[in-house]
Amino acid sequence: EAGVAQSPRYKIIEKRQSVAFWCNPISGHATLYWYQQILGQGPKLLIQFQNNGVVDDSQLPKDRFSAERLKGVDSTLKIQPAKLEDSAVYLCASSHGGALHYGYTFGSGTRLTVV
Amino acid sequence: KNQVEQSPQSLIILEGKNCTLQCNYTVSPFSNLRWYKQDTGRGPVSLTIMTFSENTKSNGRYTATLDADTKQSSLHITASQLSDSASYICVVSAVEGKSTFGDGTTLTVKP
Repeated sequence: EAGVAQSPRYKIIEKRQSVAFWCNPISGHATLYWYQQILGQGPKLLIQFQNNGVVDDSQLPKDRFSAERLKGVDSTLKIQPAKLEDSAVYLCASSHGGALHYGYTFGSGTRLTVV
Repeated sequence: KNQVEQSPQSLIILEGKNCTLQCNYTVSPFSNLRWYKQDTGRGPVSLTIMTFSENTKSNGRYTATLDADTKQSSLHITASQLSDSASYICVVSAVEGKSTFGDGTTLTVKP
């Protein structure tokens, strides 16, 4: 089966600019996650979708981050305006029914550098 | 607060040697524990999953152990290869579904 697709792989922007990341999960996976991974740290959950509904966005900095999952398939994560501390790898993951029982399948991530 | 701590932070070993990575957690109520391998520039890939009743689980040269009483897990890598160079992340899930990620151990295998 095809894996979780993410684009772009790399992005460099100046602070205060906006950026968007795209994720296409594994076909049939109802649950989709966005994680932020700062260099040297483990992934931190930003938002979890179940189909096209938000399950958990408690750690999403909503003043600058937004995410949507239209039609319960693809998802986009947007940052506007970006700050230097947003430099990180943004990982998208999907799961068949929920990571508790099925685990995560991660994409390769988008490495964002804010200068 | 649920926490996962991994040690060491980084490790360098020679090819062919064995090593053991540690994971201590305070996640409660515990559901399961997974070890992931993350190659540079890639997303994490699952190695093993362990539930409360399991003590040991192997996946090729990788063997994970779990002591649910002391809330400790280890990942033992036997006869290391250059391709084992990666970050190894411990992920502990609570019964209600939330997962807590450790910061990982970076393993470097040198020829």
